[in-house]
Amino acid sequence: QQQVKQSPQSLIVQKGGISIINCAYENTAFDYFPWYQQFPGKGPALLIAIRPDVSEKKEGRFTISFNKSAKQFSLHIMDSQPGDSATYFCAAGVLGRLYFGRGTQLTVWP
Amino acid sequence: ETGVTQTPRHLVMGMTNKKSLKCEQHLGHNAMYWYKQSAKKPLELMFVYSLEERVENNSVPSRFSPECPNSSHLFLHLHTLQPEDSALYLCASSQDRMGTSGRTGELFFGEGSRLTVL
Repeated sequence: QQQVKQSPQSLIVQKGGISIINCAYENTAFDYFPWYQQFPGKGPALLIAIRPDVSEKKEGRFTISFNKSAKQFSLHIMDSQPGDSATYFCAAGVLGRLYFGRGTQLTVWP
Repeated sequence: ETGVTQTPRHLVMGMTNKKSLKCEQHLGHNAMYWYKQSAKKPLELMFVYSLEERVENNSVPSRFSPECPNSSHLFLHLHTLQPEDSALYLCASSQDRMGTSGRTGELFFGEGSRLTVL
């Protein structure tokens, strides 16, 4: 059973546009929601994370929106750049375990 | 650099070979992890070590054998693998075993070892 469902599987955005990736979960015990970014040939790296006591967290061009009642959270990348082209993974954590989504391959065209 | 180094970066082996993957972390962390990354699938947690003690084994086949001689090094010994074991194997570390402080925290991943089983 997949704990975290992520969509879309792939995303193509024009430079300067907004990239939006969505994730949904079922387990209301999750208390940590990170997003990881992975470039080809590299391991995933933490991009931004949120805990369920806030509805939004912003770091530069990256924003997490969290909807506790809907059990959904999303990553918004404003002013998307070609350097943002990577695979993005959402995850949800509880009691030290992280459950990852399947990933979204983002391509930003110049 | 993330402070987690994995070797080799690429490995091709036959089904009867025995090989090992190595991971070293330079962050002073107390917990280390092995993950398997296959195309179009979520990252799969394989093993967790905390202060050199294996604390989690997620029903991984016995053809994968982990070893943690100290808190900085982690190995994954491979023998009689199957073609479906071909994947990217990622090592990660965290300050403490995630959950011990009551909160889930950041994982630091290495660049992975790309394994191909022929």
